[in-house]
Order: sequence, then structure tokens, then C-alpha cells
Amino acid sequence: QVQLQESGPGLVKPSETLSLTCIVSGGSINNYYWGWIRQPPGKGLEWIGNIYYSGGTNYNPSLKSRVTISVDTSKNQFSLRLNSVTAADTAVYYCARIRDYGSGSYPYGMDVWGQGTTVTVSS
Amino acid sequence: EIQMTQSPSSVSASVGDRVTITCRASQGIINWLAWYQQTPGKAPKFLIYAASALQSGVPSRFRGSGSGTDFTLTISNLQPEDFATYYCQQAHSFPWTFGQGTKVEVK
Repeated sequence: QVQLQESGPGLVKPSETLSLTCIVSGGSINNYYWGWIRQPPGKGLEWIGNIYYSGGTNYNPSLKSRVTISVDTSKNQFSLRLNSVTAADTAVYYCARIRDYGSGSYPYGMDVWGQGTTVTVSS
Repeated sequence: EIQMTQSPSSVSASVGDRVTITCRASQGIINWLAWYQQTPGKAPKFLIYAASALQSGVPSRFRGSGSGTDFTLTISNLQPEDFATYYCQQAHSFPWTFGQGTKVEVK
């Protein structure tokens, strides 16, 4: 079955760029939406954004000026970049597969999740 | 942005109990609602979509209902593995938003 694995630095300095990659195994990245979600320590879930395999994106307006999600279908992976990070960006970051009602229409939920990776922003 | 509000924030229950969690949207979302279960240190697990459709492999003791702005997750015959935090999430419009979570604790 499809599995997702996040990878990237666990420690990022303030004002620098957080970069994470999600590797998709056991299935194709094609024909799905893919998303990033984060969870600050002891808090709830926050949707960061998503990308369709063909490249269309949606971002959370609270992060939009700082976030970029990209996809590399040749490597079966997608990535997150978050610029100008602060301590408030410290969180567990999850990648997830998003289901839709077919052909990229009407995404409705996240059915497969990575295990999550902890990113701490500190000097 | 659609705000999602869950109640209660926590509930204490025993094995075999029935637990009900409510999720309210700040505007109508028809039935574009999903529920997730999260245990400590783990990724969320997809339980229900379209307000009431059970994800494959999820036990039938989980039931979702509601439409418009008011939704409910009911867990019948609570099992030890059900003690967790539950989140609702609207998929009606971007940005997708989650409720703040409801923790089901052991009484």
C-alpha cells in the first residue's frame, strides 16, 4: 500500500528556509492531490497547503507569502518550502495523500499520512 | 476562512460507553466534513468523510452525521484503542480548516 515518508532538517535557524520532502512509495504520485499539515507542540492541526500531481496549488493564506509546494513526478515526491521561519513555525510536519471524487475534482480528505517529522526553529 | 468549533474539548468515558462529539462550522459546508483520530506521537487517522461515510477499515462503532453547519461523531461501545483526540475538518473550501480537537480520556 502507499506509504509516505517526510525528510529534511530537524533544526532550522530563524529567518532561514524550512525545506521538507515527502517520498511516496508503494504507489504513483499521479492522479492525486498531496498536502502538508503541521502541528505545533501540544496544539491542533493546521493545513498548510496542497498540490495536484500536475502542479496546481492551494495555500493557507496565513502562510501564503512564505510557502511553496512543488511536485516532482519523476521522483515520486513532493516538497515544502517555508521562508523566513520563526519559533512559531516549530511543529511536527506531516505530508498526506488527499482523496477526491475523481479526475482531480472535489478533494474531500486525507487518507494516507506520513509519520511526521519534527522541525524546531532555533538559533 | 471557515471556522470549525468542536465541543467538548475533552470527555471522560469508560470502555463500553457511547461518546458524542460535536463540530460546528461558521458557515454552511453541506456535507464536506471529515473526521480524524490521533493518538499521542502518531499521525492522524482518516475515519469519516462526506460527514457520514466510513473510511475503509474503520469499525462500524464510529458513526458520523449532520449537514450544513452542525455535525456529530458518535463512538458506540468505546474500546481501549479509541482513547484518543478527534478532529473534524471542513473540505468545503480552501483553506481547509480543522476543529481544535476533542480528547477522549479514560474516566
